[in-house]
Amino acid sequence: DAKTTQPPSMDCAEGRAANLPCNHSTISGNEYVYWYRQIHSQGPQYIIHGLKNNETNEMASLIITEDRKSSTLILPHATLRDTAVYYCIVRVVGSSNTGKLIFGQGTTLQVKP
Amino acid sequence: DTAVSQTPKYLVTQMGNDKSIKCEQNLGHDTMYWYKQDSKKFLKIMFSYNNKELIINETVPNRFSPKSPDKAHLNLHINSLELGDSAVYFCASSPRDRAGYGYTFGSGTRLTVV
Repeated sequence: DAKTTQPPSMDCAEGRAANLPCNHSTISGNEYVYWYRQIHSQGPQYIIHGLKNNETNEMASLIITEDRKSSTLILPHATLRDTAVYYCIVRVVGSSNTGKLIFGQGTTLQVKP
Repeated sequence: DTAVSQTPKYLVTQMGNDKSIKCEQNLGHDTMYWYKQDSKKFLKIMFSYNNKELIINETVPNRFSPKSPDKAHLNLHINSLELGDSAVYFCASSPRDRAGYGYTFGSGTRLTVV
């Protein structure tokens, strides 16, 4: 199973872009990169996912390097409500073509006024 | 209008008791999951059901028994509760248990065993 490495914590000023890095150097060709966040003991919230190309939605942008060994989640204008633990996950696809999300420790993002 | 709802939100019970947590999703998803988040905040998958069929069982003790009466419901029954079962349990669902689809999580059930 491909694993991910994230910094344990980061700070960001309110209104600025938050760039959260993730390393996944052992990722396989058919594994997607997912990002979730968990705000203070709420259920994890899906943010975005991608395979090869960069992706953007109303919440964030996902930049995946060409070799797919790392990615960056970008919150373009961070607000205090974006303070959360952010998880970068590589989706495992097993022999039965069933996948499961394996959560690591994530990055605690603190957005400061 | 909650997409994935769990009941109860809080559950305090004594060791040795049997308890159930219910989960329902109104998203029309085929696959449902149970995750456990312990005091160290690690989220671990416990079970996965696809259209009422068990597809993932992550070496969870036999005291935990999931039941899926239909694809919109996945309940978790726990027998002979132990102190170590204290955690937050999250239910989730996805359109299919394959890469390319996001999960929707419920708000969690905080179980405290005393």
